[in-house]
Amino acid sequence: RKEVEQDPGPFNVPEGATVAFNCTYSNSASQSFFWYRQDCRKEPKLLMSVYSSGNEDGRFTAQLNRASQYISLLIRDSKLSDSATYLCVVIITGRRALTFGSGTRLQVQP
Amino acid sequence: DVKVTQSSRYLVKRTGEKVFLECVQDMDHENMFWYRQDPGLGLRLIYFSYDVKMKEKGDIPEGYSVSREKKERFSLILESASTNQTSMYLCASSERPQHFGDGTRLSIL
Repeated sequence: RKEVEQDPGPFNVPEGATVAFNCTYSNSASQSFFWYRQDCRKEPKLLMSVYSSGNEDGRFTAQLNRASQYISLLIRDSKLSDSATYLCVVIITGRRALTFGSGTRLQVQP
Repeated sequence: DVKVTQSSRYLVKRTGEKVFLECVQDMDHENMFWYRQDPGLGLRLIYFSYDVKMKEKGDIPEGYSVSREKKERFSLILESASTNQTSMYLCASSERPQHFGDGTRLSIL
C-alpha cells in the first residue's frame, strides 16, 4: 500500500467551478503536509503548506484531518490556468526526504 | 530566489552507457535529492545527500550511484544504463519546501 494516496483523476471541471481533492496518508508519524502543483513537463512547485487549523490562500483552501488521516485542497472559481497535476506531499518523522503522492490531474475547461 | 539547475533538459543515451546527470543549487542548502518520475508512480526517491560526501539510499537506488564532492553539486550516475531507466529525473534541494530543478527527460535506447 502506498503511504500517500491520491485519486489520479482527471477531474474535468468548467471554469468558475469549485473542485476539491483529497489525499490520504497511512503513516501515523506524518507530521507536515503540503500541496505542490506540477504543470505538464515542468517541475513540481510548492502551492501551499497545510496547517492543522486549515489555511487559505486566495481561491485555495487546504485542510488537514489527523483523525481520519487525510488532507484536502479546495479550489474555488476555477481558472483555465489552474489546469495542472496537484501533488500531495508528506514529511514523515525521522525521514529527511518528502513522500509524494502520485498526483491528481485537474483540467479546467472553457 | 532559490535556483536549482540541471545540466540537460533532454538526453538520449544507449543501453550500457555510463550516464551522468548533474545538479547545482545556489542557496548553500545541505540537503539535495534525486527523484525519478514515471506515469502512475509519482516521484520516487533514488538517493539523497545531507552533506558533502554524505549520501543515503532512497526507495529505488538499484542501478544508480551519486556523488557529492561540493556542497552545491549533486550528481546522479547510471553505471550501465538500461531501458527501464528511461524516465524524467528531478533534482531538488532543501527539505521544506523542496525546490526542484527543471528536470531531465532521459531516454535509453
